[in-house]
Amino acid sequence: DVKVTQSSRYLVKRTGEKVFLECVQDMDHENMFWYRQDPGLGLRLIYFSYDVKMKEKGDIPEGYSVSREKKERFSLILESASTNQTSMYLCASSLVQGYDQPQHFGDGTRLSIL
Amino acid sequence: AQSVTQLDSQVPVFEEAPVELRCNYSSSVSVYLFWYVQYPNQGLQLLLKYLSGSTLVKGINGFEAEFNKSQTSFHLRKPSVHISDTAEYFCAVSRNQGGKLIFGQGTELSVKP
Repeated sequence: DVKVTQSSRYLVKRTGEKVFLECVQDMDHENMFWYRQDPGLGLRLIYFSYDVKMKEKGDIPEGYSVSREKKERFSLILESASTNQTSMYLCASSLVQGYDQPQHFGDGTRLSIL
Repeated sequence: AQSVTQLDSQVPVFEEAPVELRCNYSSSVSVYLFWYVQYPNQGLQLLLKYLSGSTLVKGINGFEAEFNKSQTSFHLRKPSVHISDTAEYFCAVSRNQGGKLIFGQGTELSVKP
């Protein structure tokens, strides 16, 4: 069965810290995604990767960066955390670059920035 | 530009009653449409998808959705809901750029005994 694992379910960090959120998938998927989920706003795409070392900005990339050194791992980096980055972060993966491919999600990381 | 609108932010319903969660999309090209469900403290799971063919799509847990091209809608239905269906439901449309989805704002379904 498909498995997307996010390293932390809950995380509390301080303003100005550099924060790493990790995501691993075991399905050999090419595509990986990072979203943030906020009440009333649905899911908003932060960054997208379609291959190792390849990345593309999503709708809200400001304040974030990503790293994909291996196919199975996609990391989201908050360069200098701010309180407005308190949110639920969801990682997803999908097979190849097809329009019809569903995305498979991890359980999310609830991040609080104090 | 493509977009997705879920018309209800919250839908309360009694157990065993029917339910419809509404989703409208805008797109100038052919679309693929998805419904996802998010149970409390979990990620999203795929409920069903419309790619082509029959406009009535059946999914898991007794849900179904109907694709209506003329009304640009993809409403989700279940004839009889259970307490365990309490969750947030997201409608999504594929973007023209491969692999990416646009999500609606979500609808919270609350099933009461």
